[in-house]
Amino acid sequence: DQQVKQNSPSLSVQEGRISILNCDYTNSMFDYFLWYKKYPAEGPTFLISISSIKDKNEDGRFTVFLNKSAKHLSLHIVPSQPGDSAVYFCAAIRYSGGGADGLTFGKGTHLIIQP
Amino acid sequence: DGGITQSPKYLFRKEGQNVTLSCEQNLNHDAMYWYRQDPGQGLRLIYYSQIVNDFQKGDIAEGYSVSREKKESFPLTVTSAQKNPTAFYLCASRKEDKGNQPQHFGDGTRLSIL
Repeated sequence: DQQVKQNSPSLSVQEGRISILNCDYTNSMFDYFLWYKKYPAEGPTFLISISSIKDKNEDGRFTVFLNKSAKHLSLHIVPSQPGDSAVYFCAAIRYSGGGADGLTFGKGTHLIIQP
Repeated sequence: DGGITQSPKYLFRKEGQNVTLSCEQNLNHDAMYWYRQDPGQGLRLIYYSQIVNDFQKGDIAEGYSVSREKKESFPLTVTSAQKNPTAFYLCASRKEDKGNQPQHFGDGTRLSIL
């Protein structure tokens, strides 16, 4: 049972436009959400996060929106740059100790920025 | 610079052999993790360790073993009992195994069966 879902395996966006990556979750007990970025043959790097008590968090070109009623979050990248081409993982944490058993990853979305 | 080092980057194994993947961190983190990534899949947790001399099974621990004798090191052994070992293996750490701190990842080891 996949609790964190990224339904788009890939997304192609033109350079300079907005990239929107989506993530849905089924467990209403998740307390915190994170986005990771991963280049080929490298480990994921932390990008941005949001607490479940907020609906928006912004960091430079990256903004994450959370809609708790819809159990949906999205990552917006504006403007998209060639270096943004990577796989993006959505992850969620449950605070039951917040331990490893509460950390769940989606399958990832491959973002491709077209020149 | 502080970080997580995984070695080797590429590893080949003959069927029936055990192989050990190295993970070292100098971030002074208590918690360390091993994940496996397959094509089109997310990260699946193999084992994790909250503190030295302690570790717990993750979602897919069968065919794997770990040790945590030192805070800095969390090696993963892929045993011959693991029926489908070909994958990309990622090691991660964070200061404590609680709260909302993000995990820091190494650059991974790609294991292939000859």
